[in-house]
Amino acid sequence: NAGVTQTPKFRVLKTGQSMTLLCAQDMNHEYMYWYRQDPGMGLRLIHYSVGEGTTAKGEVPDGYNVSRLKKQNFLLGLESAAPSQTSVYFCASSILLGTGPYNEQFFGPGTRLTVL
Amino acid sequence: QQQVKQSPQSLIVQKGGISIINCAYENTAFDYFPWYQQFPGKGPALLIAIRPDVSEKKEGRFTISFNKSAKQFSLHIMDSQPGDSATYFCAASKGGANNLFFGTGTRLTVIP
Repeated sequence: NAGVTQTPKFRVLKTGQSMTLLCAQDMNHEYMYWYRQDPGMGLRLIHYSVGEGTTAKGEVPDGYNVSRLKKQNFLLGLESAAPSQTSVYFCASSILLGTGPYNEQFFGPGTRLTVL
Repeated sequence: QQQVKQSPQSLIVQKGGISIINCAYENTAFDYFPWYQQFPGKGPALLIAIRPDVSEKKEGRFTISFNKSAKQFSLHIMDSQPGDSATYFCAASKGGANNLFFGTGTRLTVIP
């Protein structure tokens, strides 16, 4: 199993450009998440999904949109990129709550995004 | 504001020593406290986790100590090894929800 994969690994954008980050998981997990990681701030939740066709806002949702059209995929969109969105973005997935002892989240390798 | 506060920001330990990382929280609704380990260029991975019904959880060289009254928990790495050099994040979630609130991270360096 590949686990959680993210595309692309690196990207450089100019201010105002748009892009979509793709996350895919092959573990049949119900829950998926998008985080951003910034120096000195840890990981902060952007948006999450508790199942196909459903999404919800996390701590820092402004400037981002998400879609979960298929259970295995979770897309993160930036409609008009800003320098403040320069960050490393991580996708994660987890099983349905209550079906295991831990709420373990499995993370992808990350996407490093630079907005000039 | 940061829901989980973590210290220190960085830590240097000699091989064989004990590494201790501390976290504190305010929200008494938190009921799940995991620690994640992250190597450079990789995503975080679950290391060990605890629920507030126990005061300590040990897995190999890694131990979580939990103080519910003080709203603090800590990670102890015994016999620290160079391979433990990584960034460690504490986290918390509440009410059975899967959403995690992460600390700011501790970069651990174990010197041979």
